[in-house]
Amino acid sequence: GQNIDQPTEMTATEGAIVQINCTYQTSGFNGLFWYQQHAGEAPTFLSYNVLDGLEEKGRFSSFLSRSKGYSYLLLKELQMKDSASYLCAVMDSNYQLIWGAGTKLIIKP
Amino acid sequence: GAVVSQHPSRVICKSGTSVKIECRSLDFQATTMFWYRQFPKQSLMLMATSNEGSKATYEQGVEKDKFLINHASLTLSTLTVTSAHPEDSSFYICSARDTGKENQPQHFGDGTRLSIL
Repeated sequence: GQNIDQPTEMTATEGAIVQINCTYQTSGFNGLFWYQQHAGEAPTFLSYNVLDGLEEKGRFSSFLSRSKGYSYLLLKELQMKDSASYLCAVMDSNYQLIWGAGTKLIIKP
Repeated sequence: GAVVSQHPSRVICKSGTSVKIECRSLDFQATTMFWYRQFPKQSLMLMATSNEGSKATYEQGVEKDKFLINHASLTLSTLTVTSAHPEDSSFYICSARDTGKENQPQHFGDGTRLSIL
């Protein structure tokens, strides 16, 4: 079967750095996406990785290792507004997105 | 950037009512659109894939006769929840993918919060 694993909840301090991990097992691979979802809102796109390595975009970076079936989202200089759920999704060989359950990130002052 | 418009944003209605939700891609054509449902504190669950000009593909456990999907044009898909009941109350979200760009991100609408009394 196909599955995506990510921690259910994480807590971090304002100004700090946090890494959210995602491991996956899917039928084929056409890329991995990270989305941010604030409570009561729709997801918004953060990053896309299809090749191994680190993609940096401002305070957010995303890393992929295809051989390990592993990705992480790194958030630096945390702000209170970063409190949200972070969804990992993998596109399989049929270009269908397989979604993780999301990681709820709580930022404390 | 790519924009998906979803309407209405909130619906409150009586049990037995049918509710139609629209999803429009505003600045791109979308052969494929996706309908998700999300219950409180749970993950996104794909309900069905809407295909322009053909029948939708429903996920296992989703009743196609209850959740009617129509994708009549390259920019519009509709989801009709027929004879809605309180257990259908949920957050419904659509997304769309630019035609010919299957490996690109899906763009989400703002969602519809459905409350059945």
